[in-house]
Amino acid sequence: GAGVSQSPRYKVAKRGQDVALRCDPISGHVSLFWYQQALGQGPEFLTYFQNEAQLDKSGLPSDRFFAERPEGSVSTLKIQRTQQEDSAVYLCASSLHRLGEQFFGPGTRLTVL
Amino acid sequence: KNEVEQSPQNLTAQEGEFITINCSYSVGISALHWLQQHPGGGIVSLFMLSSGKKKHGRLIATINIQEKHSSLHITASHPRDSAVYICAVRSGETSGSRLTFGEGTQLTVNP
Repeated sequence: GAGVSQSPRYKVAKRGQDVALRCDPISGHVSLFWYQQALGQGPEFLTYFQNEAQLDKSGLPSDRFFAERPEGSVSTLKIQRTQQEDSAVYLCASSLHRLGEQFFGPGTRLTVL
Repeated sequence: KNEVEQSPQNLTAQEGEFITINCSYSVGISALHWLQQHPGGGIVSLFMLSSGKKKHGRLIATINIQEKHSSLHITASHPRDSAVYICAVRSGETSGSRLTFGEGTQLTVNP
């Protein structure tokens, strides 16, 4: 595709609900990153994939957060038993290779009530 | 102290003014990015640089590796430049590819 796409763009969840956020990277991009951006803050790293391998998940805030990229293309970030502090914009970025320029998707704004 | 510090946090300018946003970092890096974020969340990469200076249109980015400092300049600013500008660094190659972000500079350019 022309760029990185994410869906849904907006998600409202009740506290305790599970959510799944999808990222479609630019075709052929090997590296995929997830970031979390709280209101008024800069993004913070969550996790990184190279193809289907999750090479770094040190930024995931708790074991309620899980990410996968089973075929090395589309990635899903899953949050179980959502809490109010999970409310943020979740950004996905992809790059052609590990050290390349990162291209960002529009983000998914998650609001947990 | 954050690894990436930006100044100022907020900046208001009149159309046509020359604008400078600063970024200081405390870690060894392999590259520094300047990003632009408009309301609604979309992030656009403006520059990726590891040394010297880059120019694109009215935007200029410089980096001084020894001083661990970078600047983003906007010449002849325009209201459409109003956005949040974010500095992000990628640590040394052995540390993976994650970006560490500053908190952003909110720029407002008035007509």
